[in-house]
Amino acid sequence: DIQMTQSPSSLSASVGDRVTITCRASHGVSNNLAWFQQKPGKAPKSLIYAASTLHSGVPSKFSGSGSRTDFTLTISSLQPEDSATYYCQQYDSSPFTFGPGTKVDI
Amino acid sequence: QVQLVQSGAEVKKPGASVKVSCKTSGYTFTSSYIHWVRQAPGQGLEWMGIINPNGGYTRYTQRFQGRVTMTTDTSTSTVYMELSSLRSDDTALFYCARGKDYATTDYWGQGTLVAVSS
Repeated sequence: DIQMTQSPSSLSASVGDRVTITCRASHGVSNNLAWFQQKPGKAPKSLIYAASTLHSGVPSKFSGSGSRTDFTLTISSLQPEDSATYYCQQYDSSPFTFGPGTKVDI
Repeated sequence: QVQLVQSGAEVKKPGASVKVSCKTSGYTFTSSYIHWVRQAPGQGLEWMGIINPNGGYTRYTQRFQGRVTMTTDTSTSTVYMELSSLRSDDTALFYCARGKDYATTDYWGQGTLVAVSS
């Protein structure tokens, strides 16, 4: 199975900050990488697929980049509603494994 | 609009089985795969498997192989996930999610809490 790691595991930032979360795969996954946002008590929300393509309706302050083993999620101009846990997931090969998550506090 | 509505919370005893439903609407049921994801209390997301409502193809992660069965009812546009031989560490939220294509997910259900306790 492909193992996914994320760093940092948590971060605290201020309103207006730009934050970057890193996701690393144990084997190359091409660009088959997705990002999700999960707020407490809520279902995950799909943000990005194919490493950098935003799902419909996702604000452009979210952006993704990377390929093969190293990926980043960037949130520009952090707002209080961005407080959540963010997960990456590879879907290059089954099982489609998730990273452990990064908790973002504002 | 696309919606996935899951069945309500369940309490089960160890050794029992649970069947969680995911009723879909707002799109052509047979055109999209459905994924199932598990989240233990306070933990991260764990992909369980996938089913293709068009033909019933399934793929399960090895961790759940032999205990999980995913099925569909095309007459009601509903997908089911049954987990058997429940243990206390199966206590979790279970989510269904629509596959935008085979592997990427876009819309999610609200989650179903399954509690396993004697």
